[in-house]
Amino acid sequence: KAGVTQTPRYLIKTRGQQVTLSCSPISGHRSVSWYQQTPGQGLQFLFEYFSETQRNKGNFPGRFSGRQFSNSRSEMNVSTLELGDSALYLCASTGRTGTGELFFGEGSRLTVL
Amino acid sequence: DQQVKQNSPSLSVQEGRISILNCDYTNSMFDYFLWYKKYPAEGPTFLISISSIKDKNEDGRFTVFLNKSAKHLSLHIVPSQPGDSAVYFCAALRNSGTYKYIFGTGTRLKVLA
Repeated sequence: KAGVTQTPRYLIKTRGQQVTLSCSPISGHRSVSWYQQTPGQGLQFLFEYFSETQRNKGNFPGRFSGRQFSNSRSEMNVSTLELGDSALYLCASTGRTGTGELFFGEGSRLTVL
Repeated sequence: DQQVKQNSPSLSVQEGRISILNCDYTNSMFDYFLWYKKYPAEGPTFLISISSIKDKNEDGRFTVFLNKSAKHLSLHIVPSQPGDSAVYFCAALRNSGTYKYIFGTGTRLKVLA
């Protein structure tokens, strides 16, 4: 069973640009969530999608957005990039387990110059 | 407001000894608590979880203890092995129908051979 796949793995952007990250969940998983990891801040919840609907959103500015397609693949977009957006962006999918265990991808490391 | 806190950013333990990682939380409405392990350049992987109605869960060398009155949980690794060296995140989940996890900031464990 293939795991969660995130692309691209690494990317470098400059301030003011925008970026789109992609996530393919484990087959059969309908919930996809996104997290931002920065040193000292742990994993900060961005948003969660289920069946193409955003069910929950974290405390991030409107520059951060996402969407989910009918095949459960998800994208997140960050517009007008700032230096502070440099981070590892992790996508996770969830299946039907009692604890709602998250299965993470390897992440997309974004560097903003 | 950090609802889940890991106050020790790092911990060093000798191989074969016990590693104890701690986590405190503020919201008594959390239903599940989970521990994730993260190696560099990889996504976090699920380690062990505990329901809020239990006080202990064990899986091989890993045991999680939950003290609801103190709003505290801990992860015990016995015996510790060099391969356990990683960053450990605790996470809390309020199973309100959406998978919005609150993560701590992580503890970097180093097991010395």
